[in-house]
Amino acid sequence: GDSVTQMEGPVTLSEEAFLTINCTYTATGYPSLFWYVQYPGEGLQLLLKATKADDKGSNKGFEATYRKETTSFHLEKGSVQVSDSAVYFCALSGKGSQGNLIFGKGTKLSVKP
Amino acid sequence: DAGVTQSPTHLIKTRGQQVTLRCSPKSGHDTVSWYQQALGQGPQFIFQYYEEEERQRGNFPDRFSGHQFPNYSSELNVNALLLGDSALYLCASSLLGRRAAKNIQYFGAGTRLSVL
Repeated sequence: GDSVTQMEGPVTLSEEAFLTINCTYTATGYPSLFWYVQYPGEGLQLLLKATKADDKGSNKGFEATYRKETTSFHLEKGSVQVSDSAVYFCALSGKGSQGNLIFGKGTKLSVKP
Repeated sequence: DAGVTQSPTHLIKTRGQQVTLRCSPKSGHDTVSWYQQALGQGPQFIFQYYEEEERQRGNFPDRFSGHQFPNYSSELNVNALLLGDSALYLCASSLLGRRAAKNIQYFGAGTRLSVL
């Protein structure tokens, strides 16, 4: 079945450092791909999405490119801030899923001043 | 524009009891999905309701049931609670349609259920 694998955390960075969180997926057909963020004590917020190969999703300085050839959707940000500290989830919505999501286990990011 | 709202925020139950969680979807949305998020894990899909019917279901036992009302709000019921049911229960709403963009799910803040 469909699945998502993302890099294990926690990830600790200094403010203004470059961020990469790796995400790879297994799916039949062409799923839609998402990054959600969860701040402490809160639900999930959609960060960005891509619905077809080579699409680049971007929001709040974060970017991810849908790579069909490597089945990847890595999250990047050029300069992280303390306020970016959260748990990041990679997810996919497969064909026939009616938008229902399969999530990775999450990667906790801590940014130190 | 109200987002997805869930109630209650926190709930404590004992083993064997039954619980009902509630969700109001984002304005304009007609579909509600429920997820269970165990501590330190990603959310897992429980089921989805559209037009007051269960449309899709994940790998959860029949103890988990739901309902959708004509105003699109939804309830999640869990019977015969087990310690392992302790988790954050998330509700997500969307607008079901042919275009992929309409299937984007927006999440509520969740209900934290503790089973003692």
